[in-house]
Amino acid sequence: DSGVTQTPKHLITATGQRVTLRCSPRSGDLSVYWYQQSLDQGLQFLIQYYNGEERAKGNILERFSAQQFPDLHSELNLSSLELGDSALYFCASSVVQGETQYFGPGTRLLVL
Amino acid sequence: QQQVKQSPQSLIVQKGGISIINCAYENTAFDYFPWYQQFPGKGPALLIAIRPDVSEKKEGRFTISFNKSAKQFSLHIMDSQPGDSATYFCAASTGFQKLVFGTGTRLLVSP
Repeated sequence: DSGVTQTPKHLITATGQRVTLRCSPRSGDLSVYWYQQSLDQGLQFLIQYYNGEERAKGNILERFSAQQFPDLHSELNLSSLELGDSALYFCASSVVQGETQYFGPGTRLLVL
Repeated sequence: QQQVKQSPQSLIVQKGGISIINCAYENTAFDYFPWYQQFPGKGPALLIAIRPDVSEKKEGRFTISFNKSAKQFSLHIMDSQPGDSATYFCAASTGFQKLVFGTGTRLLVSP
């Protein structure tokens, strides 16, 4: 158990809908990273937050957004969902000056 | 230049054998090279990591070999066990930033 929690574990929704994925980092970790894992694209970095502020953006679609709250949990919002958004979404966290990213169990999103 | 190339895509090793997975990178700014292990239905878990000022790092049965001049690094799993059957990802990052992952290697250790 990495100490990173993600909810929900599974999510099934329809095209055009909007969903919110939630992540709670390990205790004391200020950085949160979101990754998408799909069969064709592998593990791709989406976005990073540090202590509530956006730090880096990767291959994140404009339909996707994220935020980190004062209690350090983070949410990834996916809107106008398309079939191709079906994937595993992982959250990872790290300490302030640490390199090691600890991954949560992921949320499996299926868009029908 | 941000890519990390990983091979092989899949690997079958007999129990007790050595599993070897290779990765190559182009971006010389990368300064942290972790390996992650992922079991089905689980998130990636850090296995072992290395920085470019070291040519080899060993932790138990797992060893990273690093060749800075060739921009290559590899994971060796000694005395491979059926419980090692999983997908392995190499990755690289600059500073404390995003991880760039390889495409993964599915390892099967036969009993």
